[in-house]
Amino acid sequence: GAGVSQSPSNKVTEKGKDVELRCDPISGHTALYWYRQSLGQGLEFLIYFQGNSAPDKSGLPSDRFSAERTGGSVSTLTIQRTQQEDSAVYLCASSPSGISYEQYFGPGTRLTVT
Amino acid sequence: KQEVTQIPAALSVPEGENLVLNCSFTDSAIYNLQWFRQDPGKGLTSLLLIQSSQREQTSGRLNASLDKSSGRSTLYIAASQPGDSATYLCAVYSDKLIFGTGTRLQVFP
Repeated sequence: GAGVSQSPSNKVTEKGKDVELRCDPISGHTALYWYRQSLGQGLEFLIYFQGNSAPDKSGLPSDRFSAERTGGSVSTLTIQRTQQEDSAVYLCASSPSGISYEQYFGPGTRLTVT
Repeated sequence: KQEVTQIPAALSVPEGENLVLNCSFTDSAIYNLQWFRQDPGKGLTSLLLIQSSQREQTSGRLNASLDKSSGRSTLYIAASQPGDSATYLCAVYSDKLIFGTGTRLQVFP
């Protein structure tokens, strides 16, 4: 079956612009996660959705970052007024249910802020 | 706060060698532990998931062990091949998935 998909695969934007990153989880997976992988920083958790609600958004680095999930499926991560330090690979993952289940990752979106 | 460390940070070996990659974590209260590989410019591929009640999992040439009480996991790769070259990440499920720093493996012919 289809895995987790993300779009776009690459995004170059100018500093100060807003960007939207999209994640399509595996069909039937109720849990969805966003992570960021920065050069030299490793992988860091951003936000976790169970259904359409986000019980844990503790990893969002600032109020410029927001995410939503609709219909228990697609999720959008929005970064407002992008900064150069936002340049990273943004990874999305989904799992059947809950934080303790195996997570399946998408290919990521590489964001470059110039 | 859970911290996950992997050693070595990088490893270069000739084809055919057996390898051990190490992962340690500071808080033993985990649900499970997952090993991933990441190829350059690509996402993460799940290799093995070990539940907290398990001691090890095997898949092909890969064997992962878990010693929760001591906060350690090892990934054993038998008869390494050039196609095994990648970055290997371990991650523990506590209240969220916490990733280690990774081991960059290069297997040369």
